[in-house]
Amino acid sequence: QQQVKQSPQSLIVQKGGISIINCAYENTAFDYFPWYQQFPGKGPALLIAIRPDVSEKKEGRFTISFNKSAKQFSLHIMDSQPGDSATYFCAASKRTGSARQLTFGSGTQLTVLP
Amino acid sequence: DVKVTQSSRYLVKRTGEKVFLECVQDMDHENMFWYRQDPGLGLRLIYFSYDVKMKEKGDIPEGYSVSREKKERFSLILESASTNQTSMYLCASSLRAGGPEAFFGQGTRLTVV
Repeated sequence: QQQVKQSPQSLIVQKGGISIINCAYENTAFDYFPWYQQFPGKGPALLIAIRPDVSEKKEGRFTISFNKSAKQFSLHIMDSQPGDSATYFCAASKRTGSARQLTFGSGTQLTVLP
Repeated sequence: DVKVTQSSRYLVKRTGEKVFLECVQDMDHENMFWYRQDPGLGLRLIYFSYDVKMKEKGDIPEGYSVSREKKERFSLILESASTNQTSMYLCASSLRAGGPEAFFGQGTRLTVV
């Protein structure tokens, strides 16, 4: 049972286009929603994150949109560049005892064509 | 800069072998995690630890155990490796009192033959 569902599995976008990746969750205990970016041969790294009391967060070309009532959130990459080609994971975080636990989506392989 | 270091990038082990994956972090983080990454499944939590000698099961603990004898070191143990444990293993750490961000190592690609 996947607690965080991510789509699409792969995405090909032309340089300068908009990349959109969607995620949905069920557990209302999640209270922090980060996106991680992973390049080949590297571990995932935090890209941008949002808390559920905010509907949108923008950092440069990256924007998270959050719909609390629908339990959905999405990553938009504006003016996509070949250097953005990577695997993107959405995640949801909740407190579990003395630690915070991250639950990841299945990942989206983004390819930006030059 | 937070650094999470995994001892091996690539490992090849035989079925039935006992396998140790080691992870060290240098930022005094209380929390440490082990994930496995498989295509189409994302990252799945195996075990985590919020303090020395403390451990909690994640979503897929079967076939694995962990050890945390020192704050900076978290080991994943495959008691008897099987082919279905062939995967990429990622270690991560985070601050207990800080934000929920986790910092990841580069991963260990384990192949069990």
